[in-house]
Amino acid sequence: DQQVKQNSPSLSVQEGRISILNCDYTNSMFDYFLWYKKYPAEGPTFLISISSIKDKNEDGRFTVFLNKSAKHLSLHIVPSQPGDSAVYFCAASGNAGGTSYGKLTFGQGTILTVHP
Amino acid sequence: NAGVTQTPKFQVLKTGQSMTLQCAQDMNHNSMYWYRQDPGMGLRLIYYSASEGTTDKGEVPNGYNVSRLNKREFSLRLESAAPSQTSVYFCASSEEVRSKTKFFGPGTRLTVL
Repeated sequence: DQQVKQNSPSLSVQEGRISILNCDYTNSMFDYFLWYKKYPAEGPTFLISISSIKDKNEDGRFTVFLNKSAKHLSLHIVPSQPGDSAVYFCAASGNAGGTSYGKLTFGQGTILTVHP
Repeated sequence: NAGVTQTPKFQVLKTGQSMTLQCAQDMNHNSMYWYRQDPGMGLRLIYYSASEGTTDKGEVPNGYNVSRLNKREFSLRLESAAPSQTSVYFCASSEEVRSKTKFFGPGTRLTVL
């Protein structure tokens, strides 16, 4: 079963507007969440993260929001730029399943296209 | 610094053939990982090495073996490739096994016919 889900396979936005990428999780043991960005023919690169003790984390144009009661997180990109066009993966980590190492459970990814 | 490098970038195998995917990192990280990415699915952990000399199974280890050759290098071997192993393989590293942030290589696209 998919413990981390990104229900939107793709998202298209205009340059300068806000991009909102969503991610839902089912396991309440997850306590740390990350977003990775992936360009074609490259590996994923770390973008931003949030601990479950916070509900918001900002880094420049990127903000991640966490709603623990809804088991939902979102990534906001403002303003969106054509260079942001990539696949975005959310990932979760914690003591899910009793593992103590930094295991990441990934969502399926969302393809973001930012049009000039 | 090259970060995490992987070879080869592309490979086509026939069912039953064997091959080894190579990975190296120059960040002096203790922990290394192998993931696979399939369409419509997130990255799934195949094997990991918490530190030099240790390896452990991840979510989908069947059909694979690994070797942590030294601190820098971590290889993934397919002994008898199957079409179900057609995937994109990513190697990653992190400072410690508990580190949440992983650094990924560019990937190897493997097709098994």
